[in-house]
Parts: sequence; structure tokens; C-alpha cells
Amino acid sequence: AQTVTQSQPEMSVQEAETVTLSCTYDTSENNYYLFWYKQPPSRQMILVIRQEAYKQQNATENRFSVNFQKAAKSFSLKISDSQLGDTAMYFCAFYTNAGKSTFGDGTTLTVKP
Amino acid sequence: GAGVSQSPSNKVTEKGKDVELRCDPISGHTALYWYRQSLGQGLEFLIYFQGNSAPDKSGLPSDRFSAERTGGSVSTLTIQRTQQEDSAVYLCASSLVGLPQGELFFGEGSRLTVL
Repeated sequence: AQTVTQSQPEMSVQEAETVTLSCTYDTSENNYYLFWYKQPPSRQMILVIRQEAYKQQNATENRFSVNFQKAAKSFSLKISDSQLGDTAMYFCAFYTNAGKSTFGDGTTLTVKP
Repeated sequence: GAGVSQSPSNKVTEKGKDVELRCDPISGHTALYWYRQSLGQGLEFLIYFQGNSAPDKSGLPSDRFSAERTGGSVSTLTIQRTQQEDSAVYLCASSLVGLPQGELFFGEGSRLTVL
């Protein structure tokens, strides 16, 4: 079984600054996928970024990047130049090759003007 | 439609009643997932449909929960004899191909409140 831990229930950041959300996981599998999802107050989950475990290079999507440390089973999300629209709940998720998914409990991020 | 559509958006029911939640995935998407999200919690996997394959029901919490997907498109999640602990937001997601290769597109969810 896999577990995903997001140790920061709530975080805040000033607009235009950088913030890092942490995620650790536990698994015995060698090939898997990691995702960060954003859930704004509208409730609709949106994919932010994904990382394949077999890739050593950290994924980047515009202002969003990850720090993937496979040996440490860590998958943190860095948001640069934070914007008010980044205010949301962020979920880290783990998927096996078979499509089995495990989500963390989320981190509520507030971007302050 | 352009996205995943779920109905009803909100449902209030009495303990012991049956409820049906509907999901209309993006046209052409072969994979469909149901998740449950309790207040302040992450997503709990319930069931997964992939094409014509037998669904993965390993996440259903009890035999009161069941789901169907008709014609490879619309899906209905049924909860029989609802209990207060069933209160949650039920999220549906679809993808063009099965996870983890495909990107999941989520609906806005159905909020179920059992009194």
C-alpha cells in the first residue's frame, strides 16, 4: 500500500514571492507517477504538474516546478511569483502503473496581496 | 460538453434513503473514476472504469455502494440506505486513456449531505 503525507495543512505567501509545498510518500514500487493538483474554492480539481518516477529531471510548468527526490521519497512543489489566483487547496497524488491512486490530505495555500 | 459534468451539484437526503449521482464524462474519454472527498481530507478512490474492461471496484467502502457505466459514457454512482458517514463530496474524473499516462479531468463534484 502507498501513503502520501502533506505535512503542512495551511500555508500563506505574499503575492510575487515563492512558496514550497512539501509532500512525502511511501511505496515499495519502483515505477510510479506523482501529481500535484489544485482545487480552488469552485471545487474543480485541476492538474498542476506531473512527474514520472523514472525521469531524473524535475518537471517544470511555467511558474510551477517540482523537487523530486526519489531516494528520499519526496516530491515538493515550488510556486514562483505567486499570484492571487494561486489561492487554493493543493493535493499531492501518487499513481501506480496500474492506475491505483493515493492522495494526500492537502495543503491550503493563501496568497496575500 | 466541454468538461466533465456532474449532477446534482448538491443533494440533501435522509438517513436510510437511496441516492444516485450522475457523471457525464468528456466525449471520447475511455477512463472514468469516482472519488470521495470528506471535509478537509484528500480524495479517496472508489471505482475505476476503463473501456470495456471489468471495473476496478476495490475502493468501494461497502456493498451499499455501486456504480455503472452505460455505453462507455455516462456513469451513475448509487448509494443505498445512506448513512451520515456517507456525507462528502463525490468527484468524478475522466481521461482519454487510463492513468497514469492520461491526464485526469475532474467535474465539480456532487455534495451529499445525509441528515
